[in-house]
Amino acid sequence: NAGVMQNPRHLVRRRGQEARLRCSPMKGHSHVYWYRQLPEEGLKFMVYLQKENIIDESGMPKERFSAEFPKEGPSILRIQQVVRGDSAAYFCASSPPTLRNNEQFFGPGTRLTVL
Amino acid sequence: AQSVTQPDIHITVSEGASLELRCNYSYGATPYLFWYVQSPGQGLQLLLKYFSGDTLVQGIKGFEAEFKRSQSSFNLRKPSVHWSDAAEYFCAVGAHLGDGNEKLTFGTGTRLTIIP
Repeated sequence: NAGVMQNPRHLVRRRGQEARLRCSPMKGHSHVYWYRQLPEEGLKFMVYLQKENIIDESGMPKERFSAEFPKEGPSILRIQQVVRGDSAAYFCASSPPTLRNNEQFFGPGTRLTVL
Repeated sequence: AQSVTQPDIHITVSEGASLELRCNYSYGATPYLFWYVQSPGQGLQLLLKYFSGDTLVQGIKGFEAEFKRSQSSFNLRKPSVHWSDAAEYFCAVGAHLGDGNEKLTFGTGTRLTIIP
């Protein structure tokens, strides 16, 4: 059973470009979480999605950031018009569609560098 | 808002020695607490978690952690470390989402180096 997959592992963008980060959850998992780790900081929650639904986006910046988890395909975290402050490691986690307190399984992360 | 403090950025321990990694949390309600480990280039792996009940929690790879409400702490311990334990360790507190799952707030991590 493959783990959580994220691609690309490293992404370089110039200021003003768009960044698309992909996350394929573990097989059978329908819940996806995105976290961001800024340099010298801990991981911070961004958004929690189920298939075709955003459940909690309390950690998402108000502008330029969006996330989706379509019925088919990976979850996408999209950052428009990137700025240097967006440089960070972005981690995706998934959990199964069972009851409560589910363990979150993390991917290896995408390191975004904005030049 | 919840927060986690890991006061030790980097710890070096001799192989075979005991280990304790410190974690203090701030959370208004009964906390759900976690320890994760990250090896270079890998995702985070759950070592153990505390939801309720016995305050001494056993995890994988010989790790344990003790929840102390009076000290707002959840320190991670291992009696004898192995060279393969070298990694980054993250403590996290969970805040409840509407469906019973949690969004996690992590500390800044402690990097563990093992010397022969």
